[in-house]
Amino acid sequence: KQEVTQIPAALSVPEGENLVLNCSFTDSAIYNLQWFRQDPGKGLTSLLLIQSSQREQTSGRLNASLDKSSGRSTLYIAASQPGDSATYLCAVRRRGGATNKLIFGTGTLLAVQP
Amino acid sequence: SAVISQKPSRDICQRGTSLTIQCQVDSQVTMMFWYRQQPGQSLTLIATANQGSEATYESGFVIDKFPISRPNLTFSTLTVSNMSPEDSSIYLCSVERTVMNTEAFFGQGTRLTVV
Repeated sequence: KQEVTQIPAALSVPEGENLVLNCSFTDSAIYNLQWFRQDPGKGLTSLLLIQSSQREQTSGRLNASLDKSSGRSTLYIAASQPGDSATYLCAVRRRGGATNKLIFGTGTLLAVQP
Repeated sequence: SAVISQKPSRDICQRGTSLTIQCQVDSQVTMMFWYRQQPGQSLTLIATANQGSEATYESGFVIDKFPISRPNLTFSTLTVSNMSPEDSSIYLCSVERTVMNTEAFFGQGTRLTVV
């Protein structure tokens, strides 16, 4: 059974810092991994999608890496801003079964202090 | 990307009643899903909405409690039936353009409180 864990559960940093969020998964048989952000009480915004054959993806100040063999992904946020404050979720798309569904992690609540 | 409109954005309902949530996408998509996010927790898949046929439910979710319709490739509804306070959650619609494990997009969610 695929399990997805995110560490830390919560993180508070001063504005301008570079930071790393971690995501680990137990089964390396995945199609892809996707990072999302969620503002309080709202839906999810897709940030980055990494296919299983890729090592990393970049979008603006965000960089996500994937090491499938070790079951790990990291989301690097450069020069953090107060507007980055949100919950960050990773999700892996497992192989097999009738639907290759997404399995979500527990999330990291990020607060960037001005 | 995909623009997803979900209605209502929030509601407060009496126990024993039902609420229907609508999900409208700006273009045709192959896959549509409904998720639940209970307070302080991550997302759990309720079901896959299939066009023209019955939805495919995940373990722990049943059609009598969460009937789903999908009349075409751009629209789906989820009904939360005979509600109890335990149904208080955020309900989210998600879409994917194809079945080939593409990027998932989400609506803004419906925040449901049952009193």
